[in-house]
Amino acid sequence: KAGVTQTPRYLIKTRGQQVTLSCSPISGHRSVSWYQQTPGQGLQFLFEYFSETQRNKGNFPGRFSGRQFSNSRSEMNVSTLELGDSALYLCASSLGLAAYEQYFGPGTRLTVT
Amino acid sequence: GENVEQHPSTLSVQEGDSAVIKCTYSDSASNYFPWYKQELGKGPQLIIDIRSNVGEKKDQRIAVTLNKTAKHFSLHITETQPEDSAVYFCAASTGGFKTIFGAGTRLFVKA
Repeated sequence: KAGVTQTPRYLIKTRGQQVTLSCSPISGHRSVSWYQQTPGQGLQFLFEYFSETQRNKGNFPGRFSGRQFSNSRSEMNVSTLELGDSALYLCASSLGLAAYEQYFGPGTRLTVT
Repeated sequence: GENVEQHPSTLSVQEGDSAVIKCTYSDSASNYFPWYKQELGKGPQLIIDIRSNVGEKKDQRIAVTLNKTAKHFSLHITETQPEDSAVYFCAASTGGFKTIFGAGTRLFVKA
């Protein structure tokens, strides 16, 4: 079974720009969660999508948003980028809502200059 | 808020030795405890997990132990190999987004 895929793997953006990241979960998995990973804050939960609806949200500003499509693929968008948004953005796939096992993709490394 | 403390932050062992990483959690409702291995340039990989109704679980060279009373759980890697070098994360969960991750342990295995 193919794992979680994320595109692009690397991005360099300028402050004020916006960015869209994409995630394809494991086949058959219907829940997608997004995490931000930084050296200082570790792994922080952004949001979870299931059946095309955002089910849970972490403590991030409204500049961070996402969506899920009918095939369970998900995108996250960050608008008005700030230097502090530089991070590794990880997508995690799981069978269903509130499932225990989460499987992470390779991440998208976002650098904001 | 709920948190997971992980120790040590860095661990260096000689190839063939054992490595132990310890975590403590605060949320007594946590009932699922996964461990992830993250290699450079990759996402965290689920390597082993344990549920609250089990005290110990083993998979080849890795084992996890859980002490619910003390809210401690540990990862044990025996006969370490250079390819075990990575960052290891513990987590405590009640399911889905209610997963709190430890800060990570950077393991170096010296050949």
